[in-house]
Amino acid sequence: DTEVTQTPKHLVMGMTNKKSLKCEQHMGHRAMYWYKQKAKKPPELMFVYSYEKLSINESVPSRFSPECPNSSLLNLHLHALQPEDSALYLCASSPMDPGRKNYGYTFGSGTRLTVV
Amino acid sequence: KQEVTQIPAALSVPEGENLVLNCSFTDSAIYNLQWFRQDPGKGLTSLLLIQSSQREQTSGRLNASLDKSSGRSTLYIAASQPGDSATYLCAVRREIYNQGGKLIFGQGTELSVKP
Repeated sequence: DTEVTQTPKHLVMGMTNKKSLKCEQHMGHRAMYWYKQKAKKPPELMFVYSYEKLSINESVPSRFSPECPNSSLLNLHLHALQPEDSALYLCASSPMDPGRKNYGYTFGSGTRLTVV
Repeated sequence: KQEVTQIPAALSVPEGENLVLNCSFTDSAIYNLQWFRQDPGKGLTSLLLIQSSQREQTSGRLNASLDKSSGRSTLYIAASQPGDSATYLCAVRREIYNQGGKLIFGQGTELSVKP
């Protein structure tokens, strides 16, 4: 299995809702990432989990709450979002071991989030 | 601070042309460089990964080169096809000890191949 699976593919939520984005990989990667991408812009890093622990938070507002329940799963909990948070949210994974042959990132297909 | 620049921002070519996309980065202390393709509204598909010790990688009609000392990479696409139309992103990996890597992206090149 060489894929990162994200659900749902599309999500519309009101500003008072609570929702979660899910990400799963079975490649044995021990680093997982959340990126946010606005239209016509490159992805921007939000969070990094290494060995299931949060290692990097790029000063993301607390209305975004990441969680890594195990080495294969990554969640992003959303609460009280603003319309400007509408974007494509991408999950990615990569090996932690530089000796791995493919020491690159694998991205999921993303969740298109619209906040109304 | 690492900055990644891609030139051109947009490119339109007739089918069958060979083309080159350029990527430059300001800090040569990279772990690797990865080229991605992104179709509108979709995720990123990895095309080629070049380790910092390598000079080039090839996959089918794609060839990517890396010159770490000058901070440059090129993606060469041979015999372009309309199905190659997409945005191409270059990203360099910065390693943070035991915290995973950080990918730093260029702004992308939007490629359109006309039949």
